[in-house]
Amino acid sequence: KAGVTQTPRYLIKTRGQQVTLSCSPISGHRSVSWYQQTPGQGLQFLFEYFSETQRNKGNFPGRFSGRQFSNSRSEMNVSTLELGDSALYLCASSNTGSITYNSPLHFGNGTRLTVT
Amino acid sequence: DAKTTQPPSMDCAEGRAANLPCNHSTISGNEYVYWYRQIHSQGPQYIIHGLKNNETNEMASLIITEDRKSSTLILPHATLRDTAVYYCIAPLNSGGSNYKLTFGKGTLLTVNP
Repeated sequence: KAGVTQTPRYLIKTRGQQVTLSCSPISGHRSVSWYQQTPGQGLQFLFEYFSETQRNKGNFPGRFSGRQFSNSRSEMNVSTLELGDSALYLCASSNTGSITYNSPLHFGNGTRLTVT
Repeated sequence: DAKTTQPPSMDCAEGRAANLPCNHSTISGNEYVYWYRQIHSQGPQYIIHGLKNNETNEMASLIITEDRKSSTLILPHATLRDTAVYYCIAPLNSGGSNYKLTFGKGTLLTVNP
């Protein structure tokens, strides 16, 4: 069974630009979550989608948005990039999205975004 | 989430068993214990999880004490590729946060040749 696939693996952008990251979940998984990971802040939750609907959202500005398609693939968009957006962006999928209910999250290897 | 406490670092010789402890004394009766690991610049890798009983899969074994206040992740034959930061978490079983993970600082396991 193929794991979670994220593209691209690395990305370099300049301030003010926008970027779109892509995530293909494990086959059969309907929940896709996005996280930002930095050395200073650790793992921070961005949002979670289930069956094309955003169910949960973290505390990030509106410049961060996402969507999920009917095949469960998901994209994340960051507009008007800032230097502080440099991070590893991780996508995770699961059966239900409820990790407390015997449904682990499975992560991709992330997209390393560098903003200059 | 239930607070978890892990040693900041551990060493293990290649080929030997690595036993990584985790204290979660505030865990409630219906909170699972999850273990993940992260190798530098890669995404967190799910290892194993359990509620009350000991669990084993192709990667590791999870031993949970009867009172559920602590657990031990066992890598039976550690290899150099097992060098990583290991995270023990107990996600809160409530509508407020049952959909997102929060990692602490974890244990840096170094497997030595």
